[in-house]
Amino acid sequence: DIQMTQSPSSLSASVGDRVTITCRASQSISSYLNWYQQKPGKPPKLLIYAASSLQSGVPSRFSASGSGTDFTLTISSLQPEDFVTYYCQQSYIIPRTFGHGTKVEI
Amino acid sequence: QVQLQESGPGLVKPSGTLSLTCAVSGGSISSSHWWSWVRQTPGKGLEWIGEIYDGGSTYYNPSLKSRVTISVDKSKNQFSLKVISVTDADTAVYYCARVGEWVMFDPWGQGTLVTVSS
Repeated sequence: DIQMTQSPSSLSASVGDRVTITCRASQSISSYLNWYQQKPGKPPKLLIYAASSLQSGVPSRFSASGSGTDFTLTISSLQPEDFVTYYCQQSYIIPRTFGHGTKVEI
Repeated sequence: QVQLQESGPGLVKPSGTLSLTCAVSGGSISSSHWWSWVRQTPGKGLEWIGEIYDGGSTYYNPSLKSRVTISVDKSKNQFSLKVISVTDADTAVYYCARVGEWVMFDPWGQGTLVTVSS
């Protein structure tokens, strides 16, 4: 299985901050990397697919980049509703695997 | 827009069978998409269980393959999950989701908590 390692596991930030979350794959996954946001008690919501493509309806303050094994998700200016948990997921091979999440806290 | 809704028993006895259904609304399950099950636990996080195409082709997580069956019912526009021989390790929130072109999961159902307990 491809292991997806997210860092940090949690971070503290303030409204308006720029934050970056990293996801590293245990082997190359080309651009088959997706990012999700999950609010408490809700299902994950797709933010980014194919490493850098913004899902329709997602605010432009979210961006992502990377290929191969190293990927980043950036939130350019944190809003109050962004203080939740983010996951990466590889879709390169089966089994699909997720990172363990990064919790963004105030 | 497509919406998914999971349903099924919230409590299953150890060694029993977990059965869930995902109803698809706002679109056809026969829409050239794959359809997936994912579960989430506090300890293991998000775990992909498997997926099915409307023609019946399936992929399963090897870690669960011996106990899992995913099926589709086109007449009811839904797909289902069955897990046999459950243990407390199968206690989780179970989500169904549509699989997109880049094998991303979108949208998701709201999720249903299944507890394995006697």
